[in-house]
Amino acid sequence: DGGITQSPKYLFRKEGQNVTLSCEQNLNHDAMYWYRQDPGQGLRLIYYSQIVNDFQKGDIAEGYSVSREKKESFPLTVTSAQKNPTAFYLCASSDRGGSPLHFGNGTRLTVT
Amino acid sequence: GENVEQHPSTLSVQEGDSAVIKCTYSDSASNYFPWYKQELGKGPQLIIDIRSNVGEKKDQRIAVTLNKTAKHFSLHITETQPEDSAVYFCAASMGSGYSTLTFGKGTMLLVSP
Repeated sequence: DGGITQSPKYLFRKEGQNVTLSCEQNLNHDAMYWYRQDPGQGLRLIYYSQIVNDFQKGDIAEGYSVSREKKESFPLTVTSAQKNPTAFYLCASSDRGGSPLHFGNGTRLTVT
Repeated sequence: GENVEQHPSTLSVQEGDSAVIKCTYSDSASNYFPWYKQELGKGPQLIIDIRSNVGEKKDQRIAVTLNKTAKHFSLHITETQPEDSAVYFCAASMGSGYSTLTFGKGTMLLVSP
């Protein structure tokens, strides 16, 4: 079955540590996205990538970094510079910009 | 940039009733309006979408209406069932090229048996 795999489902880190969230897709989609979800805040765009080796900042990119070395993979690193990293992180992909998004089942990150 | 407002934030209905969720958007250039359903602990799933060249679209018990002049669109669910209970998100984008979706803050729909 084609889809998006995010791992792990739950992640715990100490404050001051960087942490990388994995996102892999086998849908052969060109575009991939990272969203952050907080209670009552909806989904906010962190970074997105339309093609390999290229990515753009979204609305809340500060404290995050990404890479897109392969079409299938779009890992997100939450750095120690992110002031409130505890959240539910969703990865998505689409055939191209503007087409429907397919989401993974998310990673819940808790930083203490 | 685009701003999407969604109401209500919570909606409780009895099984069999209809439910309506409304969204407004700010950018008149937006022309693609999807709706997503998110169940607890899962990622959102697309349930229906509409583009600005149509005013209404139906898929079984779900329908979406769009009023481009007023810049608002709505999700209608008829004959609600307990399994419709979830968080619903509306979104808007220019629907092409490098455009990205802007989401509303979500509506928690509770359907009581």
